[in-house]
Amino acid sequence: DAGVTQSPTHLIKTRGQQVTLRCSPKSGHDTVSWYQQALGQGPQFIFQYYEEEERQRGNFPDRFSGHQFPNYSSELNVNALLLGDSALYLCASSLAFSAMGWDEQFFGPGTRLTVL
Amino acid sequence: GEDVEQSLFLSVREGDSSVINCTYTDSSSTYLYWYKQEPGAGLQLLTYIFSNMDMKQDQRLTVLLNKKDKHLSLRIADTQTGDSAIYFCAGLSGGYNKLIFGAGTRLAVHP
Repeated sequence: DAGVTQSPTHLIKTRGQQVTLRCSPKSGHDTVSWYQQALGQGPQFIFQYYEEEERQRGNFPDRFSGHQFPNYSSELNVNALLLGDSALYLCASSLAFSAMGWDEQFFGPGTRLTVL
Repeated sequence: GEDVEQSLFLSVREGDSSVINCTYTDSSSTYLYWYKQEPGAGLQLLTYIFSNMDMKQDQRLTVLLNKKDKHLSLRIADTQTGDSAIYFCAGLSGGYNKLIFGAGTRLAVHP
């Protein structure tokens, strides 16, 4: 089991550009959440996808959008990049419904985005 | 609103106990978690505690929850150099597994 994988590992963009980050969830997981971790900060929830729909969103502008595919993998898109979008973007996968009543979120290693 | 606060830095001697503290505002959090992040790596779940528990012990890790003061702590016994990392406290907010994280506590273990 490869766990949660993310690509690319690192990315450098310039202001105004658009970026797409990718995430493959852990085998058997159907839910993908995205988090932004700025330098020296804790991760902040961007949004979550389940059944190919966004079902919860954090306090992020519409420039941040996403998609989930039938195989449960997901993409995070950011348009009109700003310097402040420089961060580590973490993807986490989990099961929507677990016999335990809660389900651990497994995190990928992240994509380091630098906006110049 | 939802908020989680942690002290930013802790330095301990190898073999001593480490105690990392956290306070949270969302009293509806059903679960509270401790994550570990090593350089260049994602987040690793260390342990969790359900909101109706006061304490949970898992090998070298002890979690204490004071619901009245909304205070959570993580004690690491016999701290080793491999424990050097950033530790995040997180609460489960609302539905759908949304996690609210603190800013993280950097633990430095020295000989």
